[in-house]
Amino acid sequence: AQTVTQSQPEMSVQEAETVTLSCTYDTSESDYYLFWYKQPPSRQMILVIRQEAYKQQNATENRFSVNFQKAAKSFSLKISDSQLGDAAMYFCAYRSNTGNQFYFGTGTSLTVIP
Amino acid sequence: EAGVAQSPRYKIIEKRQSVAFWCNPISGHATLYWYQQILGQGPKLLIQFQNNGVVDDSQLPKDRFSAERLKGVDSTLKIQPAKLEDSAVYLCASSLRWGWRNEQFFGPGTRLTVL
Repeated sequence: AQTVTQSQPEMSVQEAETVTLSCTYDTSESDYYLFWYKQPPSRQMILVIRQEAYKQQNATENRFSVNFQKAAKSFSLKISDSQLGDAAMYFCAYRSNTGNQFYFGTGTSLTVIP
Repeated sequence: EAGVAQSPRYKIIEKRQSVAFWCNPISGHATLYWYQQILGQGPKLLIQFQNNGVVDDSQLPKDRFSAERLKGVDSTLKIQPAKLEDSAVYLCASSLRWGWRNEQFFGPGTRLTVL
């Protein structure tokens, strides 16, 4: 089975600064999809950004961007101009090409310091 | 647009008791997912429905867990009998159609404590 590893249980960033959350995964597939989800305290999980493995171009959504390194099986999330509302648990997730299974990492808790 | 609804929000039961969770997806969403999120871990996908059919239930412990989506709309997840290790948040999510591009919208979850 595929595994997703988030090696940073906790991270902190000063407001308006930039922070990068790390994610690595293990797979034998060549085509798959990667996601970052945000889970604020006591609130619903929401999708932040997604990346198709066959695309070399890194995905970007406003202040959020990824650094996708397929050969290294690495998928990091960069948050620029951090805001207080970015404080949450962030999960990296993998979905196989067949789409039948999702695998989530253990999450990184991000604190934004005013 | 109303989001994914789940009830109850919290449930405390004794081990060996039964429990059921209910999920009402966003209107028109064909695909429904149930996840188990144990404290300190990421969500684990238990079962996926496309309309009222099961797409995948390979991670569902079928000796004690069951799920149904009879009319292709709302769904129930049941645990019978519950074990201590079933203590977790049970998340329901829905998407417009099956497939990776269809964003999953999550409900608030049901927090289950088994004593």
